[in-house]
Amino acid sequence: DAGVTQSPTHLIKTRGQHVTLRCSPISGHKSVSWYQQVLGQGPQFIFQYYEKEERGRGNFPDRFSARQFPNYSSELNVNALLLGDSALYLCASSLVWQGAYEQYFGPGTRLTVT
Amino acid sequence: GQNIDQPTEMTATEGAIVQINCTYQTSGFNGLFWYQQHAGEAPTFLSYNVLDGLEEKGRFSSFLSRSKGYSYLLLKELQMKDSASYLCAVRAPSYSGAGSYQLTFGKGTKLSVIP
Repeated sequence: DAGVTQSPTHLIKTRGQHVTLRCSPISGHKSVSWYQQVLGQGPQFIFQYYEKEERGRGNFPDRFSARQFPNYSSELNVNALLLGDSALYLCASSLVWQGAYEQYFGPGTRLTVT
Repeated sequence: GQNIDQPTEMTATEGAIVQINCTYQTSGFNGLFWYQQHAGEAPTFLSYNVLDGLEEKGRFSSFLSRSKGYSYLLLKELQMKDSASYLCAVRAPSYSGAGSYQLTFGKGTKLSVIP
């Protein structure tokens, strides 16, 4: 079975632009979470979705938004990009969103803002 | 708010045992996770604790004390491939209200295993 997939792998954008990152969860998983990881730091939680509903939101500005589609894939959108948005964006999927569940991470999208 | 502390770096010898500590202060608690992350790769799940005590999984064990806000990851019979960053993460209620949770990660402990 395929693991979590993310696209694109790498992306270079300029300040002020908009970006859309995509994630496909493991087959059968209904929950997707998004994280931002800056070099040398742990991942920071952005959003969690389950069954197309937002189930968690981290402390990120409104420039960050996400959605989950009927097939459980998800998009993360970032508007008005800043240099500080340069990071590895990780998507993780899980069967459920509460209790003792494992999250499986995708390879990430490396975003560079210039 | 959430605050998670773990040592920045550790070095241990192949075949030895190493303990990586994690202390946390969170508003609410719904479980603690340990992840392994090799350089340039995504994190992989190692363990989950929600009740006090020790969880053992092969060469890896994780301990939790909720009253002390403390956890450790124990790695036995260290192998060179265990050189990686180890991330402690706590799940707690998120900003967005009832029924929602977020996973807060520490900055990670970079473990170097030497021959």
